[in-house]
Amino acid sequence: DIQMTQSPSSLSASVGDRVTITCRASQSISSYLNWYQQKPGKAPKVIIYGTSRLHGGVPSRFSGSGSGTDFTLTISSLQPEDIATYYCQESSSYPITFGQGTRLEIK
Amino acid sequence: EVQLAESGGGLVQPGGSLRLSCAPSGFTFSSYWMSWVRQAPGKGLEWVANTKPDGSQKYYVDSVKGRFTISKDNAKISLSLQMNSLRADDTAVYYCARIAFYGDSWSFDLWGRGTLVTVSS
Repeated sequence: DIQMTQSPSSLSASVGDRVTITCRASQSISSYLNWYQQKPGKAPKVIIYGTSRLHGGVPSRFSGSGSGTDFTLTISSLQPEDIATYYCQESSSYPITFGQGTRLEIK
Repeated sequence: EVQLAESGGGLVQPGGSLRLSCAPSGFTFSSYWMSWVRQAPGKGLEWVANTKPDGSQKYYVDSVKGRFTISKDNAKISLSLQMNSLRADDTAVYYCARIAFYGDSWSFDLWGRGTLVTVSS
């Protein structure tokens, strides 16, 4: 099974800050990496698929990069509505696995 | 409106059974892979099962193999998850999710609101 490890587990930042979350796969997954945003009490929403492609309606301040085993999600200028937990997910093989999540809070 | 609506959650004793349902609307259900993803209270996301558009192939996480069955009925436009031999660690919110393909890549692009399953005596 592919293990997905996110860092940090939690992050506190100020409005307007540039925020970066990393995700590492235990083996190469090429570019088969998705990112989800989950707000408290809500279902997750996909924000980036295929490592770097922005899902429809997602603000352009979100971006993704990486390949192989190391990936990043970047928010270029943090907004209050970005407060959520973010999960990476590999889509390369079964079983499908998620990272443990990164909780993002406003400082 | 494009949406998924889960139902069937509740309190069940260890060793018991429960059947979850997912009602899709607003899209051509027969064209899509569908999934169940769960989230234990205060924990992260865990993929549970997938099924092909025609329901012919099914995939499961090891921890539910032999206990859970995903079924897709394109005629009745419904997805279900039959859960048997339930354990305390199956306690979670269960989400129905649609899979969207983008060339050779894919993601869970549509999620329901979830239904809570609690396994406890």
